[in-house]
Order: sequence, then C-alpha cells, then structure tokens
Amino acid sequence: GDSVTQMEGPVTLSEEAFLTINCTYTATGYPSLFWYVQYPGEGLQLLLKATKADDKGSNKGFEATYRKETTSFHLEKGSVQVSDSAVYFCALSDSMDSNYQLIWGAGTKLIIKP
Amino acid sequence: SAVISQKPSRDICQRGTSLTIQCQVDSQVTMMFWYRQQPGQSLTLIATANQGSEATYESGFVIDKFPISRPNLTFSTLTVSNMSPEDSSIYLCSVEVDRRGTEAFFGQGTRLTVV
Repeated sequence: GDSVTQMEGPVTLSEEAFLTINCTYTATGYPSLFWYVQYPGEGLQLLLKATKADDKGSNKGFEATYRKETTSFHLEKGSVQVSDSAVYFCALSDSMDSNYQLIWGAGTKLIIKP
Repeated sequence: SAVISQKPSRDICQRGTSLTIQCQVDSQVTMMFWYRQQPGQSLTLIATANQGSEATYESGFVIDKFPISRPNLTFSTLTVSNMSPEDSSIYLCSVEVDRRGTEAFFGQGTRLTVV
C-alpha cells in the first residue's frame, strides 16, 4: 500500500540556519503531496502542496519540489526562525484511492534555538 | 476553505467513563474524518463519517469503542467509550472540502487524559 517516510526528529537548529526535512513516498497512482505543520497546542494546517511531478509548493519561505524520479518531496527553508518550531508532517493523497484518504508520515519535530 | 470548531479542547477523565467530542464545520462537507494522535506520534485514522450512513472504521478500531454520529453535513461526534489510560491521546476532527484530496482542514484537537 501507499506509504510516506520522513526523517526522524527532533531536528534542532540555530536561528537563520538552512533547513531540510526529507520525505519519500510510495504510491500506486499519481499522488498529490502535502506538508502540514502543527504548532504547539494547535491542530494541523496545510503548509504547502504539489499535485504533479516537478511542481514546487511554497509558503512562508518554505519550499518543496515534487520529484517523481526519486519519489521525494523534501521540505526546505533557507533561514529558519524560532517561530518555525513545530511538528511537520509529510502526507500524500492517492488518485487511485476513491476516498482520497491522506497517508501520513510520522512527523518531524523541529526545534529552533535563538 | 473550512473552519472547524472542536470541543472540548481538553479533558481529564476517570477510567471506565465515556467522553463525547464534538466537531462543527462552518460549511457543508460530505466526509469527516476522526484521527488519533498519540504523544509524539503521527496521525492514525480512526474512522470516516459520511452523512446518512454508518461510519467506516479502520483496522484496529471498532464501533463499540468509538461510536460516531453524523446527523447532518456540518456536525459529527466521536465518543471514546469505557476509557482506559491507553486512550490518552489527542483526537482530531478533519474534513476535505472538495473530495479531490486537495486539502484537509483540522480542528484544534481534543487532548484527552485518562486517569
């Protein structure tokens, strides 16, 4: 079945450092790919998405490119801030699933130190 | 988009009791999803609730333990029955507005502690 694998956390960085959180996937169809963010004490919210190969999703300085050849959707940010501290989830929605059920990665906790 | 109001936001319950979590959406949606997020872990889908039909439960979850109601297109409840400390978790309500998997919206979650 479909699956999402993302790097384990926690990831601890200093402010203004470069961030990469790796995400790879397996899917039977043509998935849409997502990054969701969960700030402390809150529900999840969509950070960015890409619906086809080579698409780049971007929001709030974060970017991720849908790489079909490597089945990856790595999250990057050039200069992180303390306010980026949160848990980040990679997810996919497979077009072969009539319910479009979201398949979730395990989540990566990001800690940014001043 | 969709705005979801979920309550209670947190509760501490005695083992053996039940808690009902409510989820209210500001627009009509066909499918609503209930997730469990155990401490430090990812989301696990409990069930999918369609209006007018019984909820569809994922492997490992049963209706007797997690009964769900879906009386209309904007509201759903999840009950955690006969609770034990292992049920301590965050429970999340989610909807997808257009059924094309383009985006999911979440409530703020219910943090449940069973003592």
